[in-house]
Amino acid sequence: AQSVTQLGSHVSVSEGALVLLRCNYSSSVPPYLFWYVQYPNQGLQLLLKYTSAATLVKGINGFEAEFKKSETSFHLTKPSAHMSDAAEYFCAVSVAGGTSYGKLTFGQGTILTVHP
Amino acid sequence: DTAVSQTPKYLVTQMGNDKSIKCEQNLGHDTMYWYKQDSKKFLKIMFSYNNKELIINETVPNRFSPKSPDKAHLNLHINSLELGDSAVYFCASSLTGGPLIGYTFGSGTRLTVV
Repeated sequence: AQSVTQLGSHVSVSEGALVLLRCNYSSSVPPYLFWYVQYPNQGLQLLLKYTSAATLVKGINGFEAEFKKSETSFHLTKPSAHMSDAAEYFCAVSVAGGTSYGKLTFGQGTILTVHP
Repeated sequence: DTAVSQTPKYLVTQMGNDKSIKCEQNLGHDTMYWYKQDSKKFLKIMFSYNNKELIINETVPNRFSPKSPDKAHLNLHINSLELGDSAVYFCASSLTGGPLIGYTFGSGTRLTVV
């Protein structure tokens, strides 16, 4: 079975500061990893995904994440926060094959607050 | 031209009622899913269908019954609604290579049981 742990349910940064949202995963097979963003009262929007190609993945809105197998991590970063980045962020894992094929397992979510 | 559309967007109903949520995708995907987001924003898969065949059925009360009339539609029927069923329900779709291709989510149906 796969699982995801997001460290920190709330992260607060100043506008222009570095954003770092932490995600650690557990999987017995090579994982596929995703970051989604959810704005208030809206659905989930894909930010980026890791599918075993490059370990540094660039996504939309200036976000990127690095897959580190040795640390079982997939942390999300953005060099300079913008007010519009305030939202809830979800890390998720999926695998190809087996009875869990296609199933996304989500972390608990991290609420990002950006202060002016 | 919404890719994954759910109806209704909001649903308020009394305990004990039966209700349905509909989902349609126009992406040509062959796999569809229902996810439940509880009051703490935790997202968990409920069901998935591939080409109208049930693939994933998590530990969900049998009051919940998904139905997929064709590849583009996956409906969720809930019998005898309970207070604990209040949540946001998201429909999603993907191609069979979901993990590689990615998933598209609908905007959610907020169900409130009173």
